[in-house]
Amino acid sequence: NAGVTQTPKFRVLKTGQSMTLLCAQDMNHEYMYWYRQDPGMGLRLIHYSVGEGTTAKGEVPDGYNVSRLKKQNFLLGLESAAPSQTSVYFCASNRRWGNQPQHFGDGTRLSIL
Amino acid sequence: SQQGEEDPQALSIQEGENATMNCSYKTSINNLQWYRQNSGRGLVHLILIRSNEREKHSGRLRVTLDTSKKSSSLLITASRAADTASYFCATDANNNDMRFGAGTRLTVKP
Repeated sequence: NAGVTQTPKFRVLKTGQSMTLLCAQDMNHEYMYWYRQDPGMGLRLIHYSVGEGTTAKGEVPDGYNVSRLKKQNFLLGLESAAPSQTSVYFCASNRRWGNQPQHFGDGTRLSIL
Repeated sequence: SQQGEEDPQALSIQEGENATMNCSYKTSINNLQWYRQNSGRGLVHLILIRSNEREKHSGRLRVTLDTSKKSSSLLITASRAADTASYFCATDANNNDMRFGAGTRLTVKP
């Protein structure tokens, strides 16, 4: 049972490049989330999804897009990367909203030069 | 903006001692959760306490919640070197947005 798997683990981009981060979970969870973690800031929610085909904005959605075409996958896209998007990105999932713990992947370390 | 704020930012203790971390928040919550993060890894859920609960235990962990003061504490008893990690509180305020604090970095010296 792999839990939540994020790919890639590390990536370096140049300003203006685009890329997609993939999150896959094998726990049949309905809800999935993308966070970013910056030093001294804790985790901030970028986008989330409450089911296949649905997405919603979190606290810091600007500059990112997401898609949830399959229940087990949640993709985070950067259309035109900026240095301010240098961060560690975490994906999480849980069974239903509220009163359930979130299960996290090990993160993607992204550097934008 | 962060909802939970942990205190202290960093804590260093000897193996066998107890470690106490505090979390304060600003708005009403549905539940409060504590997570641990080892260096270079994702967050791991430790314990969830609902707004109508005052105390909860799990092994060497004890969590308290005071909704009148909007604060929570995490106590780790008889700490071990393996407890070295960052600890985060997260508040679920029923608005589809769980907020994490900046964390307490705990170092347990053998």
